[in-house]
Formats: sequence, structure tokens, C-alpha cells
Amino acid sequence: QKEVEQNSGPLSVPEGAIASLNCTYSDRGSQSFFWYRQYSGKSPELIMSIYSNGDKEDGRFTAQLNKASQYVSLLIRDSQPSDSATYLCAVGTTAGGTSYGKLTFGQGTILTVHP
Amino acid sequence: GAGVSQSPRYKVTKRGQDVALRCDPISGHVSLYWYRQALGQGPEFLTYFNYEAQQDKSGLPNDRFSAERPEGSISTLTIQRTEQRDSAMYRCASSPFVIVLAGTDTQYFGPGTRLTVL
Repeated sequence: QKEVEQNSGPLSVPEGAIASLNCTYSDRGSQSFFWYRQYSGKSPELIMSIYSNGDKEDGRFTAQLNKASQYVSLLIRDSQPSDSATYLCAVGTTAGGTSYGKLTFGQGTILTVHP
Repeated sequence: GAGVSQSPRYKVTKRGQDVALRCDPISGHVSLYWYRQALGQGPEFLTYFNYEAQQDKSGLPNDRFSAERPEGSISTLTIQRTEQRDSAMYRCASSPFVIVLAGTDTQYFGPGTRLTVL
């Protein structure tokens, strides 16, 4: 079983729709969770981080975390063609209750927003 | 300010040769991470440093791979006796903090070095 798994893609949504990206993780002790966006041929770029159960909103992006279900998601509202990219879920390493920056990434979900 | 830089951006080498990949983190960043990313996959952790100390090298595939950060700034990832399976994008990231705290930024990635082993 992979440590971090993302919903299989690619995902295609029309412009203006909500895109929903999902991720599950295996380490129940994990405390830090991240969503990175990676445009084709570019480096990953952090777009959201979440540490507590519930929702965290930043502009058109909402991250949702459910530690009991070991599930984290990213919602993109009013999707734009410029949102077309690969979205990577990453989980930070936790040891002794402290989170460190060593990240375990999922395989990524390709999102295409078509006009 | 300047971001994370990596050199070379592209490296083509023949099987059996040694290669050295360089990462120059953002000034003042104490933690430095090396990842390898295959096409269509997420980055895979290799090793990381806090200051000059190598904290975790559990992701290095075998003893042909090594890394150092002698002065706590620039880091070099060395692959000896390269094999075709080593071909990938090698990414470096740096972070201003050792510990991840809610509300702080985490890692900034460099542009990567594309390694091709013929």
C-alpha cells in the first residue's frame, strides 16, 4: 500500500466548475499536509497547507482534512484554464509529535480545465 | 530575492560515469532536501540536511548515491557509476525552518537537474 495515494486522473472540468482532488494517507500520526501545483516542465509550487481537521480556505482554494478518515482534499472553485496542472498531495513526517519537512508525495492528479 | 538554484540544469552522461549535482538553497535556509521525480510521478524523497548535518538518508537507493552539505549552504548529490535507471529529474528544496509549524511556509523547490544516462 502506497503511503500517500491520490485519486486517479486525469480530471477534466469545464471552466467555472468546482474541481475536487482527493488524497488518502497511511500514517495515522501525520500532522502536516500540503497541496502543491506543478505546471508541465516546472517545479512544484506550494498552494495550500493544512494542519487541523476541517476546512481551510484561501481564495478559490479550499483544503479539507479529516484525520480520523486519513483523508485530505482540495477544492478549486470557479476553475480557470490557468488551473490546468498536476496537483500533488504531500504529507510531512511526524516524529515524537513534531512535524518535519521531509515530505511524502502522492503520484499526482492531472487537472485540465477546458473553456 | 533569489530562489533555489540547481546546476547543471541538464546532464547527459554515459553509463558508468560519476555525476555531481549541485544545489544552492535560498540564503539563510537551514534545511535542504533532495528528491527524485520520475515522469508522471510525484517527487520521491532521497535525503535531507539540517545545517551541515545529514538527518536522514533513508531514501538514497543504494550506496552509489551520496550527498554532502559541508558548510551548511550548498549541497552536492553525487551518483557514482551511473546506470540507466538513474535517469530522472533530481530536485532540491530548501526551508527556513527545521520544524514545520502551522502558518509557516515549508519548502521551496529549485528548477531541477534532468539527468539522462545513456
